[in-house]
Amino acid sequence: AQRVTQPEKLLSVFKGAPVELKCNYSYSGSPELFWYVQYSRQRLQLLLRHISRESIKGFTADLNKGETSFHLKKPFAQEEDSAMYYCALGVGTGNQFYFGTGTSLTVIP
Amino acid sequence: EPEVTQTPSHQVTQMGQEVILRCVPISNHLYFYWYRQILGQKVEFLVSFYNNEISEKSEIFDDQFSVERPDGSNFTLKIRSTKLEDSAMYFCASNIGVLGQPQHFGDGTRLSIL
Repeated sequence: AQRVTQPEKLLSVFKGAPVELKCNYSYSGSPELFWYVQYSRQRLQLLLRHISRESIKGFTADLNKGETSFHLKKPFAQEEDSAMYYCALGVGTGNQFYFGTGTSLTVIP
Repeated sequence: EPEVTQTPSHQVTQMGQEVILRCVPISNHLYFYWYRQILGQKVEFLVSFYNNEISEKSEIFDDQFSVERPDGSNFTLKIRSTKLEDSAMYFCASNIGVLGQPQHFGDGTRLSIL
């Protein structure tokens, strides 16, 4: 069965420190993985998708099929990065999304 | 940039009443979705809709829920007889219909059942 696991519900880092938000997935097919960010109960906004291999707001994420992971990283956290981050797995012809439970990131000034 | 729009932003309804949440997906998108987020919990998939019919639904999407695309632009979620536990944020999303493309989310409707 498809599943997305985000082991950390809460994560606090100091401004300027590196941050890594973990995401592991379970899926027998070829995964389509995404990171979404939700600021203060606003809409979910696409942050990254693995097929584009881009860096948005300094964040990067690499798909590791061997470890079935898609961890989100940023070398220097900023206060404005404080938000809820969701990892999502897209599957099937309908591109149905399975979301992780989310990680609430707090960047301490 | 085109956006998914949802109305109303906040709906307060008495338990047992019917409620309709409305969404206008992005115009060239083919797949439409509803998700639910109970306060403090994760985003949960409810239903996906394609070619004027439900393509997938979760266990949450029971007989009290229905979806409809009444015209060429709106996509609605109806809850027939609301319960207290239906109180949540409901997000609509749309997707162009190609695997690997992201879903675009609306701002959500906060549903409060009294």
